[in-house]
Amino acid sequence: DGGITQSPKYLFRKEGQNVTLSCEQNLNHDAMYWYRQDPGQGLRLIYYSQIVNDFQKGDIAEGYSVSREKKESFPLTVTSAQKNPTAFYLCASSSRDRIYGYTFGSGTRLTVV
Amino acid sequence: EDQVTQSPEALRLQEGESSSLNCSYTVSGLRGLFWYRQDPGKGPEFLFTLYSAGEEKEKERLKATLTKKESFLHITAPKPEDSATYLCAVQGGDDKIIFGKGTRLHILP
Repeated sequence: DGGITQSPKYLFRKEGQNVTLSCEQNLNHDAMYWYRQDPGQGLRLIYYSQIVNDFQKGDIAEGYSVSREKKESFPLTVTSAQKNPTAFYLCASSSRDRIYGYTFGSGTRLTVV
Repeated sequence: EDQVTQSPEALRLQEGESSSLNCSYTVSGLRGLFWYRQDPGKGPEFLFTLYSAGEEKEKERLKATLTKKESFLHITAPKPEDSATYLCAVQGGDDKIIFGKGTRLHILP
């Protein structure tokens, strides 16, 4: 079955540490996205990529970095510069026509300890 | 500025009690409006896409409708398993997709 796989499901980060969240899709989608979800807030766009080797900042990119070396993969690194990283992170992908909007992964919950 | 507002924030219904969730939007050149269902600790699951005013789509107990300013998600005779957060998102002429904050729906048995 096609879909998006995010790992790990839970992640704990110490102060000053960088962590990388994995996102892999086998839907042959061109575009991939990273969102952050906090209680009481809508999904906020961190980064997105429409083609391999190209990506753009979203609304809250500070303290995050991404790469898109393969069509299937779009990892997100949460750096020590992100002062409030505790959140639920969602990866999504879409086809060019977006008939179905986005297909989302199951999320990674990141907690700072 | 493009905006999506969902109401109410939370809704508690008895099993079988029909109701509607609202998504009002302001966007330049609507290209699509999406409804998703999200269960706790999981990613949103696609429900519907609506493209133009007057369009309606149905799936089991859910029906989505669209006007030029808002969309409704009607829930008919809901069951406890319909309890979830329902998210609305709009895609504007700039191709950007904006999400609302969601409506938390709780169906009591």
